[in-house]
Amino acid sequence: AQTVTQSQPEMSVQEAETVTLSCTYDTSESDYYLFWYKQPPSRQMILVIRQEAYKQQNATENRFSVNFQKAAKSFSLKISDSQLGDAAMYFCAYRSEETSGSRLTFGEGTQLTVNP
Amino acid sequence: EPEVTQTPSHQVTQMGQEVILRCVPISNHLYFYWYRQILGQKVEFLVSFYNNEISEKSEIFDDQFSVERPDGSNFTLKIRSTKLEDSAMYFCASEGLAVYEQYFGPGTRLTVT
Repeated sequence: AQTVTQSQPEMSVQEAETVTLSCTYDTSESDYYLFWYKQPPSRQMILVIRQEAYKQQNATENRFSVNFQKAAKSFSLKISDSQLGDAAMYFCAYRSEETSGSRLTFGEGTQLTVNP
Repeated sequence: EPEVTQTPSHQVTQMGQEVILRCVPISNHLYFYWYRQILGQKVEFLVSFYNNEISEKSEIFDDQFSVERPDGSNFTLKIRSTKLEDSAMYFCASEGLAVYEQYFGPGTRLTVT
């Protein structure tokens, strides 16, 4: 079974600065997807970014980018120019590529605080 | 932009009662999921549903849980006899064919007293 680990329960960053959230995972599969979801105080789960394991290029979405290290099974999220609205719980998630309809396996989450 | 909706937003029930949580997935999506998040904990998979049957279920999804797509638009989670430990946020998610991204609803907060 796959596992996802987020070793930073809490992180903080100053507004306009850059922060990196860490995630590691364990799998025996070669093809899979990785995601970062944001959960603000409303508790809605919002998809931030996704990475396909077969792609060497790191995914980027505006101020959000990932550092995907497949051999190390590491998948970190970098938030540039942090904004107050980025404050939330961030979850890393894994899913198999074997079939559509596969479950997401989540990490424990990292609570990000953005200081003005 | 299409979105997943869930009702009610908050449900309070007494232990032993049955509850039905409702979800309306995005209209052209084919895969449907329920997840649970106990307060302060990570999100846990409960069940996936495709082509009118369960594709996969976790060990949490025992006989007290059931899912249904009664009318081609709604997707429901029923808990037959609620326990205190069922208190959690329940999220519905849906996914399109070959998209590999799950879109979540806003959740239903279930409180069992």
